[in-house]
Amino acid sequence: EDQVTQSPEALRLQEGESSSLNCSYTVSGLRGLFWYRQDPGKGPEFLFTLYSAGEEKEKERLKATLTKKESFLHITAPKPEDSATYLCAVQDFPGSGTYKYIFGTGTRLKVLA
Amino acid sequence: DAGITQSPRHKVTETGTPVTLRCHQTENHRYMYWYRQDPGHGLRLIHYSYGVKDTDKGEVSDGYSVSRSKTEDFLLTLESATSSQTSVYFCAIFQETYGYTFGSGTRLTVV
Repeated sequence: EDQVTQSPEALRLQEGESSSLNCSYTVSGLRGLFWYRQDPGKGPEFLFTLYSAGEEKEKERLKATLTKKESFLHITAPKPEDSATYLCAVQDFPGSGTYKYIFGTGTRLKVLA
Repeated sequence: DAGITQSPRHKVTETGTPVTLRCHQTENHRYMYWYRQDPGHGLRLIHYSYGVKDTDKGEVSDGYSVSRSKTEDFLLTLESATSSQTSVYFCAIFQETYGYTFGSGTRLTVV
């Protein structure tokens, strides 16, 4: 069964304490992996797209990496404004029909000043 | 900015009543989507549209219908609201490189 699992569910960090969020997936044919940030009361906002194992993308304190089974979102020296829920999603092409898009349940990140 | 506006932002309704949520986009995107978001579940696709009057079901379509009479508007109707449809509903468009762009959501409570 196609599946996207994010861990941990919740994470509390001190300001400046670097860490990583994990997104593991089991799909038939990975077309792309997407990371989003979601603030309370808002829709998810796009951060990164990764297409192939070994690919990395960076934006400010965030770096996303991709392997054949999982993706990591590394947060370097986080600040309180990085507090949000981070979602990953996989675009799967099972070989016939249309693309499927599977979301994980997210990691709630809280960065303390 | 894809200019996606959802209305209403919040709604409380009674069980058994019909409810319509509206999504409006300003950039002429062909594909539009309705998702629901619930604790413990990832975003789940309800219905999507690939053009005016062209719609299809997602994974959680039971109890919902949609209509798209104009490119810019995509309506989601709960035919007879139930408590299990209490959720946050998001409308979205999809762009190949950027994935989904979501509206701000509608928080629906069915009492």
